[in-house]
Amino acid sequence: GAVVSQHPSWVICKSGTSVKIECRSLDFQATTMFWYRQFPKQSLMLMATSNEGSKATYEQGVEKDKFLINHASLTLSTLTVTSAHPEDSSFYICSATRNGLAGGEQFFGPGTRLTVL
Amino acid sequence: GEDVEQSLFLSVREGDSSVINCTYTDSSSTYLYWYKQEPGAGLQLLTYIFSNMDMKQDQRLTVLLNKKDKHLSLRIADTQTGDSAIYFCAEKEAAGNKLTFGGGTRVLVKP
Repeated sequence: GAVVSQHPSWVICKSGTSVKIECRSLDFQATTMFWYRQFPKQSLMLMATSNEGSKATYEQGVEKDKFLINHASLTLSTLTVTSAHPEDSSFYICSATRNGLAGGEQFFGPGTRLTVL
Repeated sequence: GEDVEQSLFLSVREGDSSVINCTYTDSSSTYLYWYKQEPGAGLQLLTYIFSNMDMKQDQRLTVLLNKKDKHLSLRIADTQTGDSAIYFCAEKEAAGNKLTFGGGTRVLVKP
């Protein structure tokens, strides 16, 4: 159990376009989903926390108008990178959790590699 | 704010034990986690420990927690080549679900 998927697994786009990344919890209802980005050989940086049906909470320094997060259901959250630029190229990883887990653990998706040309 | 630190690299011979260390600053952490990341993949939860525990063992994995020193370690017994990966420790804040990750320890297992 506790499987989280992401789609697409990789995407290449032109500068100025928008890219949508989906995160799905396949076998449980996720009350909270998180979006991280990871630069090569670095740790994960939390971008935002997303609760179903409410606005996402963004970390300091993350532009909410550039990284649009929608958490429309208990199994789906989307991250849209708007007007992407080469500096947005990164590995984006989502995670999901639900209330009541004994260890409060987060389950991670496989990540989406975004390359902006 | 919270800070979690790990050593960058560990090299170990196949069959030996590996010990990965982690220090953290938030004394109110409720849970601490170890995740494994293989190249180009997401994070796989290996194990976690509640902050009022000293030790947790799960097959080849042993987690030790010294809450006084805010020190967490992961011991992998009989390390295999498939254990080569980056290992992240993370702490969960007392309120809410936010995790703070360490920088990751790259473990290389040599045959």
